[in-house]
Amino acid sequence: QKEVEQDPGPLSVPEGAIVSLNCTYSNSAFQYFMWYRQYSRKGPELLMYTYSSGNKEDGRFTAQVDKSSKYISLFIRDSQPSDSATYLCAITKAAGNKLTFGGGTRVLVKP
Amino acid sequence: NAGVMQNPRHLVRRRGQEARLRCSPMKGHSHVYWYRQLPEEGLKFMVYLQKENIIDESGMPKERFSAEFPKEGPSILRIQQVVRGDSAAYFCASSPDRDILGNTIYFGEGSWLTVV
Repeated sequence: QKEVEQDPGPLSVPEGAIVSLNCTYSNSAFQYFMWYRQYSRKGPELLMYTYSSGNKEDGRFTAQVDKSSKYISLFIRDSQPSDSATYLCAITKAAGNKLTFGGGTRVLVKP
Repeated sequence: NAGVMQNPRHLVRRRGQEARLRCSPMKGHSHVYWYRQLPEEGLKFMVYLQKENIIDESGMPKERFSAEFPKEGPSILRIQQVVRGDSAAYFCASSPDRDILGNTIYFGEGSWLTVV
């Protein structure tokens, strides 16, 4: 069993729809949770970071963490074609530790 | 404020040659990480370094791969005697020495190695 599971997609949505992404993890020792966006042939770009259960909102993005279920989510409101990318969840046990990534979900927002 | 700088962005090597990938962390960052992304796969941790020290190399292949982060200059990921299976994107990331927000790690644009 992988430490972090993420549906590879692709996930295709019309412009303006809500994009819902999620990851599950197996080890309760993971304490920090991140979402990265990666465009083709580019480096991952940090979108959201959280270290506690609950919701965190930043503009059109909302990150949700449920440590009891070992489940993390990212929601993108009012999706735009420019949101078309691969979204990677990443988790780590402590600050300064290596990140464990999900395999990424490819998202396509159609105009 | 420049981000994480990697070079070369693209590198082509013949089997058996050496590849050297360089990474300059963001200003004020003293922690460097290297990750590898194989085609159609996620990012896999390779090594975590601080200045002059390897902190965690649990993801590094046992042979042919080495990394350093000298007191002066960029971090170097070195792959000796490259094979076709080494073809991948190699990403460097950095984080600050004391990150009061937790663990924010920023990535460079990657170095794309092709072994022919």
